[in-house]
Amino acid sequence: DIQLTQSPSFLSASVGDRVTITCRASQVISSYLAWYQQKPGKAPKLLIYAASTLQSGVPSRFSGSGSGTEFTLTISSLQPEDFATYYCQQLSSYWWTFGQGTKVEIK
Amino acid sequence: EVQLVESGGVVVQPGGSLRLSCAASGFTFNDYTMHWVRQAPGKGLECVSLISWDGDNTYYADSVKGRFTISRDNSKNSLYLQMNSLSTEDTALYYCAKADPSRFDAFDIWGQGTMVTVSS
Repeated sequence: DIQLTQSPSFLSASVGDRVTITCRASQVISSYLAWYQQKPGKAPKLLIYAASTLQSGVPSRFSGSGSGTEFTLTISSLQPEDFATYYCQQLSSYWWTFGQGTKVEIK
Repeated sequence: EVQLVESGGVVVQPGGSLRLSCAASGFTFNDYTMHWVRQAPGKGLECVSLISWDGDNTYYADSVKGRFTISRDNSKNSLYLQMNSLSTEDTALYYCAKADPSRFDAFDIWGQGTMVTVSS
């Protein structure tokens, strides 16, 4: 099975900071890579799909990039509502797996 | 409004059984593959099972294979997860989610989750 490793697992940042989260796959994966945001007590919310396509309604400060085994989620200017846990997810052979998550907290 | 609403989560003893339900509304349910995803307390997300739009194809995580059965009733816009031989490791919040093929099968709609607690 393909494993996804996110780094860092925890990130402390200030409002206005540029934040980058990396997701590395244990082998080359296709563009079936998605990013989700989860706030405490809430269901995950789709941010990015196909590695770099912004989901409708998601602010443009979020962006995704990457290919092969390394992918990134970038928040260009962190806002108070962005403090949450972020997960990457990949599809391979009809099965989705998630990264372990990156918690973004206020510095 | 596009919505998924899970139900059926309770406290159950180890070895027990439970059936979760997910009611869909606001979209053409029988057009989409559906998933169950779980999240143990304080932990990350784990895909548990998926079922194709017509119910002909099902897949399971190794951790639940042989114990859980996913099904759907398209006439009732409903998804189900039959859970048998439950262990404490199955304690989690269980979400149903809709996969959108126009979004590379990403999960664009999630329910609010239903909590399953396995404890004696």
